Amino acid sequence: QKEVEQDPGPLSVPEGAIVSLNCTYSNSAFQYFMWYRQYSRKGPELLMYTYSSGNKEDGRFTAQVDKSSKYISLFIRDSQPSDSATYLCAMSYGNNRLAFGKGNQVVVIP
Amino acid sequence: GAVVSQHPSWVICKSGTSVKIECRSLDFQATTMFWYRQFPKQSLMLMATSNEGSKATYEQGVEKDKFLINHASLTLSTLTVTSAHPEDSSFYICSAREGTDTQYFGPGTRLTVL
Repeated sequence: QKEVEQDPGPLSVPEGAIVSLNCTYSNSAFQYFMWYRQYSRKGPELLMYTYSSGNKEDGRFTAQVDKSSKYISLFIRDSQPSDSATYLCAMSYGNNRLAFGKGNQVVVIP
Repeated sequence: GAVVSQHPSWVICKSGTSVKIECRSLDFQATTMFWYRQFPKQSLMLMATSNEGSKATYEQGVEKDKFLINHASLTLSTLTVTSAHPEDSSFYICSAREGTDTQYFGPGTRLTVL
């Protein structure tokens, strides 16, 4: 697997705040970039999917990719307690395989 | 979105026994399914790629004789952990590929080997 760096440190924010998550990578072969949300003891759920540099919005979620810096971000606006979960970045490489970051545990405090 | 199921959701077995985990795509056909393993507070690690009608492709360091994968139909892949040992205890998750790039994940199977 190719390496993806994601600081796994837990993140606590008050309700309504903006959550900012990011991942870095070193391999230029990564083609597609995804963010998954995983609740405890559940499988990951696809949140955002993008393949080009720039921003992509979907409701309160914005995914940002900077291929020149090999850096991707996820922003969650107006965070809710239901957003409390682990967020995993993932990147695809040869034959549609995915390499995952370690995940960020996010806690939104009411 | 597409739905992927796994069965069982959890299993406890004795050391030395074999355990079979099923992964099904419920509302789409998946020519490719993937098997991952996730240890506590760790990321998902890809174990193997399962292609319908052909042999699975294993990642480096994954024992193909220990983790048997069968993908007999476009909606079903199975992972059999043979002669399981306590170090095999983990959360096993499958995913199924729909279209070109999107993978949908199952809910996972928690395996505990005593």
